[in-house]
Amino acid sequence: EPEVTQTPSHQVTQMGQEVILRCVPISNHLYFYWYRQILGQKVEFLVSFYNNEISEKSEIFDDQFSVERPDGSNFTLKIRSTKLEDSAMYFCASSGPLADGEAFFGQGTRLTVV
Amino acid sequence: KQEVTQIPAALSVPEGENLVLNCSFTDSAIYNLQWFRQDPGKGLTSLLLIQSSQREQTSGRLNASLDKSSGRSTLYIAASQPGDSATYLCAALSYNTDKLIFGTGTRLQVFP
Repeated sequence: EPEVTQTPSHQVTQMGQEVILRCVPISNHLYFYWYRQILGQKVEFLVSFYNNEISEKSEIFDDQFSVERPDGSNFTLKIRSTKLEDSAMYFCASSGPLADGEAFFGQGTRLTVV
Repeated sequence: KQEVTQIPAALSVPEGENLVLNCSFTDSAIYNLQWFRQDPGKGLTSLLLIQSSQREQTSGRLNASLDKSSGRSTLYIAASQPGDSATYLCAALSYNTDKLIFGTGTRLQVFP
């Protein structure tokens, strides 16, 4: 069964360092997303990406964050200068080909900023 | 602004019971509503998707219903098993937005 895959599963980084989280969405999906979940809190939306551009972003997704689809299969989230409060589980998701399709999530990358 | 709440926050039941998990949303103009399962420290597994035009969806022992007029969805789990122990999340997709709004989840424990 097709699935969304994320790497790495766990990343530890020092405050101020740049991190790139990687995702391979399901191959025929057209809509890509990043969500995060701080320990003990709700899953919250960061950004959606369609047709090679950001279609929507939340207030959390400030200038420190960026997304890219560098080739036909990968979808990345970059955090330019990590802060302690960026520590969370980051989930990639994809849906489609219709906008109201079922969203499938990856297993997540646990980011720990020290 | 869409808000999603789930009750109860936690539930502990003996094996074999039939369960109802509740999800409420404030904005009834939803595109769809999705139920997920999350095991501790793991990702989200999609269980059921209900489109706004549908009243319910079934998959195995799971049945989800949707009542847009009252802003509610329920997830019914029949004949619960210890393997059903997990956190169950509902998430609503409203019109004119790409983002799923998640509830806080119901943490379910089924003991033998």
